Amino acid sequence: DAKTTQPPSMDCAEGRAANLPCNHSTISGNEYVYWYRQIHSQGPQYIIHGLKNNETNEMASLIITEDRKSSTLILPHATLRDTAVYYCIVRVGTSGGSNYKLTFGKGTLLTVNP
Amino acid sequence: DAGVTQSPTHLIKTRGQQVTLRCSPKSGHDTVSWYQQALGQGPQFIFQYYEEEERQRGNFPDRFSGHQFPNYSSELNVNALLLGDSALYLCASSLFWDRVTGGELFFGEGSRLTVL
Repeated sequence: DAKTTQPPSMDCAEGRAANLPCNHSTISGNEYVYWYRQIHSQGPQYIIHGLKNNETNEMASLIITEDRKSSTLILPHATLRDTAVYYCIVRVGTSGGSNYKLTFGKGTLLTVNP
Repeated sequence: DAGVTQSPTHLIKTRGQQVTLRCSPKSGHDTVSWYQQALGQGPQFIFQYYEEEERQRGNFPDRFSGHQFPNYSSELNVNALLLGDSALYLCASSLFWDRVTGGELFFGEGSRLTVL
């Protein structure tokens, strides 16, 4: 799986958009970008994933650059409960059952301030 | 709909002892993966079980072993505990042939193991 690079920490004001960047310059054509987050003392939680098109769900939006070498996770209106470590993970596609190994880095600690 | 449940939540062992951690997957899931998370680090993949067989394994010694039962629940066993085995052990469940969702993993809250 391709390696990802994320800033170790970021701050965001409550109610503002949080934009979390991720570099994955060695991503292969069949690799997806996944985002998980881990609130303190809890297990990681799936947020969103995408291949090359921008994606949006009830939690966040994922913007992937055209060359797929980087992406940005956007939390449109951050709340205090969004304070967590956010992991950007790249892995081979979802078909079949052999691709569920996730390689976590250290992630980005997002702190949402009141 | 119960999510992934793990037990125990916390436990303390001494060096050389053996430990067994348990996991029940989310309803409808048939695959269980185990991860180790040391303090300040991201989770590291240990192994994955499907159809009661180990399907994938990360870079962990044979002291780490597992089992999956017919009801899809799973156990993680660690023998000859070392101080470095102190960590949060996470169980994640998924559907092996998942053609509907993105194949995301659902994690439990973890078992916090302290080795003294």
